[in-house]
Amino acid sequence: GIQVEQSPPDLILQEGANSTLRCNFSDSVNNLQWFHQNPWGQLINLFYIPSGTKQNGRLSATTVATERYSLLYISSSQTTDSGVYFCAVAVNYQLIWGAGTKLIIKP
Amino acid sequence: NAGVTQTPKFQVLKTGQSMTLQCAQDMNHNSMYWYRQDPGMGLRLIYYSASEGTTDKGEVPNGYNVSRLNKREFSLRLESAAPSQTSVYFCATRGDFGPGTRLTVT
Repeated sequence: GIQVEQSPPDLILQEGANSTLRCNFSDSVNNLQWFHQNPWGQLINLFYIPSGTKQNGRLSATTVATERYSLLYISSSQTTDSGVYFCAVAVNYQLIWGAGTKLIIKP
Repeated sequence: NAGVTQTPKFQVLKTGQSMTLQCAQDMNHNSMYWYRQDPGMGLRLIYYSASEGTTDKGEVPNGYNVSRLNKREFSLRLESAAPSQTSVYFCATRGDFGPGTRLTVT
């Protein structure tokens, strides 16, 4: 089946820094989503992005479907950005999840 | 709109007991999903329902059953709980998730 790999697995940054998270997938997909799971366990959908670039405030995402990867950019990090960032690819009706990138933003 | 709601939020079971996790959505979405998340890991799909009246197995269906009661509701049942089923369970519809149920089986 399709494989989803995220890197880096862990990232520790100072408040105000920028970061780039990567998601590689092994086959063609219908869609790709980025999620943030906050330290309390809540999962928030950040982007639906099968291809191209989207921006929402300090966050933006780019998916290059032909090369089977997606990038999530976080600019001017805040402590509230801490948590785990997951990418998940849609294959038919199912989402296949990466293992996540754990991000810690230090004040 | 409440989005996706789940009950209960926490549950402790003894090995062999049964229980049903309830999920409801008010977004009029056709597809609904049940996932489990073990500590430090991503989510794994247990079952999903592409539309009312249909259910299909996901990656880890063993030990679980589901019912798509109507378009709004999708329940997950553990018939005979095992310690390996200790996890956090999330219900979802498309990209929207419920708050999760933290289940411990002793």
